Amino acid sequence: EVHLVESGGGLGKPGGSLRLSCAASGFTFTNAWMSWVRQAPGKGLEWIGRIKSKSDGGRIDYAEPVRGRFTISRDDSKNTLFLQMSSLKTDDTGFYFCATQGVDGIGWYVFDNWGQGTLVTVSS
Amino acid sequence: QSVLTQPPSVSGAPGQRVTISCTGSSSNLGADYDVHWYQQLPGTAPKVLIYGDNKRPSGVPDRFSGSRSGTSASLAITGLQAEDEAVYYCQSYDTTVSLFVLFGGGTKLTVL
Repeated sequence: EVHLVESGGGLGKPGGSLRLSCAASGFTFTNAWMSWVRQAPGKGLEWIGRIKSKSDGGRIDYAEPVRGRFTISRDDSKNTLFLQMSSLKTDDTGFYFCATQGVDGIGWYVFDNWGQGTLVTVSS
Repeated sequence: QSVLTQPPSVSGAPGQRVTISCTGSSSNLGADYDVHWYQQLPGTAPKVLIYGDNKRPSGVPDRFSGSRSGTSASLAITGLQAEDEAVYYCQSYDTTVSLFVLFGGGTKLTVL
């Protein structure tokens, strides 16, 4: 069974930094594409970015609102995905979910498994 | 403002059929990118309901179905049940420079 557990959320100050982690199990992490998706309180889903598997080139793409401020990385030896968040803004407040792509055999461009999310609050 | 437009809310009585629309443009749905649908129950993470326009992952009841035509897509739910009360999101991709993965704004389904 696929299991994704996010951690690292909490209170961050405007202009500050936070690092989120997503521990994965139950599938071959090395082969998976991984994404971060966030959700402001009471709002809809917003894709942040994705990292492909190393075998698929390891390309990383970001959504415009976070490009240049957030960095996605992965440690395949530890089955862990990371999101380094810098230059935080109050608009970055929300739940942050990690999600897999290409794990359940239903395609590379659908988010087939999700973690339960970790809450990030940016406030002075 | 989402580039994929969904109605904010829909409602229906148990046993009825409801549809949720997702309207895009020539740079996303019109460019033939697949549409996927997710269900988010209160207080939980989203779950994929429909992928590749009209396919159901294993375990999803056949009461849920997807369709698309041109720059629009739809999710239909038949035999509405109380447990279907949730927020539903469509998702696709876009060819414009600043966008990549798109989610619709979400539709809150209320079972009366």
